[in-house]
Amino acid sequence: KQEVTQIPAALSVPEGENLVLNCSFTDSAIYNLQWFRQDPGKGLTSLLLIQSSQREQTSGRLNASLDKSSGRSTLYIAASQPGDSATYLCAVRDSSYKLIFGSGTRLLVRP
Amino acid sequence: GAGVSQSPSNKVTEKGKDVELRCDPISGHTALYWYRQSLGQGLEFLIYFQGNSAPDKSGLPSDRFSAERTGGSVSTLTIQRTQQEDSAVYLCASSLVLAGDSTGNEQFFGPGTRLTVL
Repeated sequence: KQEVTQIPAALSVPEGENLVLNCSFTDSAIYNLQWFRQDPGKGLTSLLLIQSSQREQTSGRLNASLDKSSGRSTLYIAASQPGDSATYLCAVRDSSYKLIFGSGTRLLVRP
Repeated sequence: GAGVSQSPSNKVTEKGKDVELRCDPISGHTALYWYRQSLGQGLEFLIYFQGNSAPDKSGLPSDRFSAERTGGSVSTLTIQRTQQEDSAVYLCASSLVLAGDSTGNEQFFGPGTRLTVL
């Protein structure tokens, strides 16, 4: 059974810092991995999708990497801003088509 | 519309009543998914549709839960005889395709319906 773990559970950093969020999964047979952002009381916003054949994806200040063999992904946020404060979720999709989510990392960027 | 929409945004009901939650996927998306987000369980999959058929209903927690999709578009999640443990945020997502390792598999989520069962 696929399990997804995110570390740390919470993170507080000063504005301007670069930071890394970690995601690990137990079964390497995945089709893709998605990173999402969730603001309080809101739905999920897709940030990046990495296909199983890819190693990384970039969007603006965000960079996500995928190492299938070790069951790990990282989300790198450069030059963090207070507006980046949210919960970040990673999810993997396997052959069953559903997304399996980690429990998220709550990020606070202090002005 | 441009994104996935869900209605109502909030629903308060009494224990034992039936509720219907609606999802409008992104136009042209063939795959539609329902998830539930609760404090104790995190985000969990309920059901997905490819067109109007639901190949995998394994995430539905009990036979009080059912879902349908009509015209390959709108989907309704119905909860009969609601219980307090059904209180959660119900999220709908859609994607362009469902198959294999494809860029079309990115799932886009709606804002959710917050269900409170008193």
